[in-house]
Amino acid sequence: NAGVMQNPRHLVRRRGQEARLRCSPVKGHSHVYWYRQLPEEGLKFMVYLQKENIIDESGMPKERFSAEFPKEGPSILRIQQVVRGDSAAYFCASSPGTAQAPEQYFGPGTRLTVT
Amino acid sequence: AQSVTQPDIHITVSEGASLELRCNYSYGATPYLFWYVQSPGQGLQLLLKYFSGDTLVQGIKGFEAEFKRSQSSFNLRKPSVHWSDAAEYFCAVGGGSYIPTFGRGTSLIVHP
Repeated sequence: NAGVMQNPRHLVRRRGQEARLRCSPVKGHSHVYWYRQLPEEGLKFMVYLQKENIIDESGMPKERFSAEFPKEGPSILRIQQVVRGDSAAYFCASSPGTAQAPEQYFGPGTRLTVT
Repeated sequence: AQSVTQPDIHITVSEGASLELRCNYSYGATPYLFWYVQSPGQGLQLLLKYFSGDTLVQGIKGFEAEFKRSQSSFNLRKPSVHWSDAAEYFCAVGGGSYIPTFGRGTSLIVHP
């Protein structure tokens, strides 16, 4: 069984460009989460999505950041007009979303560097 | 609101020694509790989880954790540490919202 896939693994963008991060959840998982991790810090929750719905985006900056999880295809985290402070590792996790199995399965992450 | 505290930022142990990583949580009801491990440049891997039942939980790689409600703790233990256990360890607490809260992590350093 394939785990959570994220691509690209490394992404370099100049200030002002757009970054698109993709996440394919574990097959059969309908819940996707995005987290940001900075050096020496833990995981910061950004957004929680189910297919075609944003359930909770309380951790996502109001501007420049957006996320989607379409009916078909991977979940996308989009960062417009990137700034140096956006440089971080971005992790996607998926979950079956049942009360019996609420644990999350993480992808390898995308390391974004803004130059 | 739920929260997690991992009081130790770094822990150093010798290979073969025992290990205990501390985790304290705050949650209004019976929580879901998790320990994850992250190797450098990698994502997080689930070590073990507690939902209900037996308060001593066995996980992968020889790890175990004990849920102590009276102390609001879920400490991770391993009787004999291997050099390959050097990594970052994260405790997480969750509940009905399905959005767990992660601690800041404890970095484990293993000396030969």
